[in-house]
Amino acid sequence: GNSVTQMEGPVTLSEEAFLTINCTYTATGYPSLFWYVQYPGEGLQLLLKATKADDKGSNKGFEATYRKETTSFHLEKGSVQVSDSAVYFCALPRGNRDDKIIFGKGTRLHILP
Amino acid sequence: GAGVSQSPSNKVTEKGKDVELRCDPISGHTALYWYRQSLGQGLEFLIYFQGNSAPDKSGLPSDRFSAERTGGSVSTLTIQRTQQEDSAVYLCASSLAGRSGANVLTFGAGSRLTVL
Repeated sequence: GNSVTQMEGPVTLSEEAFLTINCTYTATGYPSLFWYVQYPGEGLQLLLKATKADDKGSNKGFEATYRKETTSFHLEKGSVQVSDSAVYFCALPRGNRDDKIIFGKGTRLHILP
Repeated sequence: GAGVSQSPSNKVTEKGKDVELRCDPISGHTALYWYRQSLGQGLEFLIYFQGNSAPDKSGLPSDRFSAERTGGSVSTLTIQRTQQEDSAVYLCASSLAGRSGANVLTFGAGSRLTVL
């Protein structure tokens, strides 16, 4: 089945810094790719997704590009805010046209004012 | 309902006791998932329902774990004879049906289980 690996945390940055959280995957075919976010005290929620190669997902200033050449879906933001402090999870379906979504181990992000 | 509702939000139990965790998904969402979130372990898939049937139970860690879903809606995750290693946050999610692999999951806030 498919698998996902994301960078270990925690990641600590100052406000307005540039953010990259790495995510790489192994997959059969070209599955949809997702980033979910878990803010303190809240449930996981979808941040962005890309459904095919070369697509760019974006939301709340975050972006991630589906790169089949490097099997990556790195999350980026040009200028982070304290409110971006959260745990970020990269995810994809377990298999081809599979409903079950598997998640990376999560990357905790701390933004300092 | 407006979102995925889970109860209880916190449960402290003694080793060896049984616990039940409840999930009320978004109305109209036929797919329902249970995950377990442990410190440093990310999200571990437990079980997936499509309607009332559980086509994928592959993630249940032992036969002490079981889940059911009735009426295509509410689901209950039962852990029998709890052990300390069962301590975790149990997350429920629901989504619209489909086999596209592009379904977006909506999560509940979770049930935090502590086994003493």
